[in-house]
Amino acid sequence: DVKVTQSSRYLVKRTGEKVFLECVQDMDHENMFWYRQDPGLGLRLIYFSYDVKMKEKGDIPEGYSVSREKKERFSLILESASTNQTSMYLCASSGTSGSTDTQYFGPGTRLTVL
Amino acid sequence: RKEVEQDPGPFNVPEGATVAFNCTYSNSASQSFFWYRQDCRKEPKLLMSVYSSGNEDGRFTAQLNRASQYISLLIRDSKLSDSATYLCVVNEDSSYKLIFGSGTRLLVRP
Repeated sequence: DVKVTQSSRYLVKRTGEKVFLECVQDMDHENMFWYRQDPGLGLRLIYFSYDVKMKEKGDIPEGYSVSREKKERFSLILESASTNQTSMYLCASSGTSGSTDTQYFGPGTRLTVL
Repeated sequence: RKEVEQDPGPFNVPEGATVAFNCTYSNSASQSFFWYRQDCRKEPKLLMSVYSSGNEDGRFTAQLNRASQYISLLIRDSKLSDSATYLCVVNEDSSYKLIFGSGTRLLVRP
């Protein structure tokens, strides 16, 4: 059974703190993604990675960075958290059989920045 | 203009009803299309892919109209367990990147 896990379900941080969100997949997938989901805006892609140490900016990369040191792990970093980064963060992974490959999502991390 | 647009709903229907959602996309060169389902406070999961010829999976039927740039999802004989948000998803250029609509909320009442 496919599995994507995220380090926390709920997280509360203060403005200016550095925040790490971890995602691990056990499907040997090449591609991994970080999205944020906000009411009325849907899922927006922050960053994605198609291989170890490779990363590509998504639609809203500002204020975020990522790290992919191992195939199964993709980390999202908020260098200095701000209140407008309060959101639901979803990690996903997919294989390499092409664009139609299903993306599998983790359960999400609801981040609140005070 | 949003790349993928959906009516947010909610669609409130009785059990057993047939309900249909539409979704429009702006890029005529879009390659692949999907419906994902997201339950309250849960992650999105693939419901079905949408093929040019249309496809059916049990009570669910998906259609693609490339000329008018919309896709549809029809749910027959609605169940209480169908209550969820349905996300329309488009892949524009055969890359790994998917474009998600903001979702249509369905409530099925007893």
